[in-house]
Amino acid sequence: AQKITQTQPGMFVQEKEAVTLDCTYDTSDPSYGLFWYKQPSSGEMIFLIYQGSYDQQNATEGRYSLNFQKARKSANLVISASQLGDSAMYFCAMREGTGNNRKLIWGLGTSLAVNP
Amino acid sequence: DAGVIQSPRHEVTEMGQEVTLRCKPISGHDYLFWYRQTMMRGLELLIYFNNNVPIDDSGMPEDRFSAKMPNASFSTLKIQPSEPRDSAVYFCASRKGGGPGIIDEQYFGPGTRLTVT
Repeated sequence: AQKITQTQPGMFVQEKEAVTLDCTYDTSDPSYGLFWYKQPSSGEMIFLIYQGSYDQQNATEGRYSLNFQKARKSANLVISASQLGDSAMYFCAMREGTGNNRKLIWGLGTSLAVNP
Repeated sequence: DAGVIQSPRHEVTEMGQEVTLRCKPISGHDYLFWYRQTMMRGLELLIYFNNNVPIDDSGMPEDRFSAKMPNASFSTLKIQPSEPRDSAVYFCASRKGGGPGIIDEQYFGPGTRLTVT
């Protein structure tokens, strides 16, 4: 079963508008972390934002914020005031495990296109 | 500060040939990860190391794949013999050790695009 689900293969947004990219996760571990990465067409993977399972407040990083709903096991990425340069693939990932055995489980990604 | 360095950036080889991908992690990072990315399967973790020791190689597809980390600043992923289905982008990533209050994000290299004909 998928542990990280990104239900939107592709999304479109108009420049300057906000967009929400969905991510749901499945874990029985009380301690976990959620990450979002951006992969532009050039191919590199860029870390955007992180939310820890015990964090009381939603994470924010510039125009990126994470809508963390723990009971629903969702960690949606919100991009405000979209820019053309935001067009990319976006991946949600969950950190599982403890001690040395900590690795990321990845979703399949959402392709975002920002229209001028 | 240099990021994760991978070489080569592109590799085209014929089926049956040996392929060696190289990675230099960020200095001071304790963990190194090898991933494979394809359209069909997304991003797959192949193997990762902690302090040069392999921790989890359950993602390595088969015996044709092997990875080594002889020291803290160098790792290789070898495919022998290569097959067309190995064609993918291979990423190396590294991170610091985690702990309370530490965001242990992974830093990725630019990837190696492998094409096996």
